[in-house]
Amino acid sequence: GESVGLHLPTLSVQEGDNSIINCAYSNSASDYFIWYKQESGKGPQFIIDIRSNMDKRQGQRVTVLLNKTVKHLSLQIAATQPGDSAVYFCAENIWNYGQNFVFGPGTRLSVLP
Amino acid sequence: NAGVTQTPKFQVLKTGQSMTLQCAQDMNHNSMYWYRQDPGMGLRLIYYSASEGTTDKGEVPNGYNVSRLNKREFSLRLESAAPSQTSVYFCASSVQRDEKLFFGSGTQLSVL
Repeated sequence: GESVGLHLPTLSVQEGDNSIINCAYSNSASDYFIWYKQESGKGPQFIIDIRSNMDKRQGQRVTVLLNKTVKHLSLQIAATQPGDSAVYFCAENIWNYGQNFVFGPGTRLSVLP
Repeated sequence: NAGVTQTPKFQVLKTGQSMTLQCAQDMNHNSMYWYRQDPGMGLRLIYYSASEGTTDKGEVPNGYNVSRLNKREFSLRLESAAPSQTSVYFCASSVQRDEKLFFGSGTQLSVL
């Protein structure tokens, strides 16, 4: 899962296995969530989003699950590939300090050969 | 398609120097944003522009100013750089304020 601090949580998976990255969000009023992927030295890249009227959404090799009861979001990556190695972070749509999204610090995914 | 383009990619400043980070998007988006990213922390909003002609403070605006030059361009200015402003800066845009963000590739800024 995600946490505040200097050290990112790390997830190591074998190539070909499935990955599950978790995120706890802060506000039960948040109604829109996004997962981003950030490779080293690059900007965050949109992966998939979900609105609060859904509990599951699928993309190409990725699935996002939303559990509003416990305020939990997860990203599942099927058949993880070396190119999936990156930092993944979630964003929730909430007005806080005038901003529209609050971002978690992320989880570093390492894919082992 | 270029998407969101930021310049420069790297910059080193001395304390007290000023500089402007440039950002342009070619997606005809209404809203644009400046974020900073520090190690182990989530992206934090510095300033945003919900639409052309408007700008507003985000979570960490102190020490920065912005200009929404036109619909495409949104610049971030550091008037008197401080070591605490050492960070990676990202510009982003979205169709409108509460829609998904598209990010540039970032500017790595070091203030000595």
